[in-house]
Amino acid sequence: QKEVEQDPGPLSVPEGAIVSLNCTYSNSAFQYFMWYRQYSRKGPELLMYTYSSGNKEDGRFTAQVDKSSKYISLFIRDSQPSDSATYLCAMQKVSFGNEKLTFGTGTRLTIIP
Amino acid sequence: NAGVTQTPKFRVLKTGQSMTLLCAQDMNHEYMYWYRQDPGMGLRLIHYSVGEGTTAKGEVPDGYNVSRLKKQNFLLGLESAAPSQTSVYFCASAPGGAGGQPQHFGDGTRLSIL
Repeated sequence: QKEVEQDPGPLSVPEGAIVSLNCTYSNSAFQYFMWYRQYSRKGPELLMYTYSSGNKEDGRFTAQVDKSSKYISLFIRDSQPSDSATYLCAMQKVSFGNEKLTFGTGTRLTIIP
Repeated sequence: NAGVTQTPKFRVLKTGQSMTLLCAQDMNHEYMYWYRQDPGMGLRLIHYSVGEGTTAKGEVPDGYNVSRLKKQNFLLGLESAAPSQTSVYFCASAPGGAGGQPQHFGDGTRLSIL
């Protein structure tokens, strides 16, 4: 079983819809949670970064972490065609010296105009 | 403000050939990483470095070597390329120190081994 599971999609929604992207994980040692956006033929770009449980909002994006359920989510409000990309969740243990990230496999999202 | 720059962007090799991928960062970051990205597999860590002159193995290190002679550069070498190493390679860097360390990525090198 992978440490981080992410539905690969693809997911297609109409412009303006609310998008919900999710990851589950099995290792309770993960303390830091990130969402990256990756456009075609580009590198991952950091979108959201949260520590432990709770919500964090940045513009149209909200990241949610539920450590009791080992579940994280990214919500996109008022989705735009420019949000079409692959979204990767990533997690990190508190481990001074290497801070390796463990990634989900990514969800491909298409926003239909 | 370049961030993380990878060269080359594309390369085609024949089985058995060698090559070096270069990663350069201008953010004065301590930590640097090399990943490969394959369909359905996500990003997998090959090797990483927590400072100039240091390197360590990630989860898929076989067939690769790395060097970090200068803080800003991290080189990934393939001594004898194999078709299984056909992939997109990403370099990343992070500030270093205790606590969460979001990584900043380059735009990748697409490598095909024939």
